[in-house]
Amino acid sequence: EDQVTQSPEALRLQEGESSSLNCSYTVSGLRGLFWYRQDPGKGPEFLFTLYSAGEEKEKERLKATLTKKESFLHITAPKPEDSATYLCAVGANAGKSTFGDGTTLTVKP
Amino acid sequence: NAGVMQNPRHLVRRRGQEARLRCSPMKGHSHVYWYRQLPEEGLKFMVYLQKENIIDESGMPKERFSAEFPKEGPSILRIQQVVRGDSAAYFCASSPEGIREQYFGPGTRLTVT
Repeated sequence: EDQVTQSPEALRLQEGESSSLNCSYTVSGLRGLFWYRQDPGKGPEFLFTLYSAGEEKEKERLKATLTKKESFLHITAPKPEDSATYLCAVGANAGKSTFGDGTTLTVKP
Repeated sequence: NAGVMQNPRHLVRRRGQEARLRCSPMKGHSHVYWYRQLPEEGLKFMVYLQKENIIDESGMPKERFSAEFPKEGPSILRIQQVVRGDSAAYFCASSPEGIREQYFGPGTRLTVT
């Protein structure tokens, strides 16, 4: 069974304090790893797709990387508006995606 | 470019009633997924559908829950004889094909009284 574990569960940062979120996965036949952002009361918003180990994607202050067993979401010089829950999901041969429980990020000004 | 639409946004049902949740995918998307999210918890997969086909329903309870995605019209998640434990946010997502990024709707918040 596919499994996704995200850590930490919650992360509190000062504005400008860079950090990383971790997503460890176990899947038979990874077809894609996805990162989403979810704001309170809203549906998740797609951020990145990574397909193979060594791949990196960037968007503003966010950078996602992928190895054979985990992915990192690096946040550089975060701002309060980056506060949200970040979700990681893996897509395997079955077609569906399996989501982790997320990391809730709070960035204080 | 309308996104994924879900209605109603909020639904209140009494125990024993039926709940019908609707989802219209993004234009051009033929794959639909339903998820349930309890407060302070992650997204739990329920069912994956393509037009007129259920591809994977491994996350859906065997009783009282059903889903469909007809040739015409929205996808429907139906919950019969609701109980208090069904209270949750239900999200629908769509993608242009399987194993791709998914685009989520705003969710339907079901409250069972």
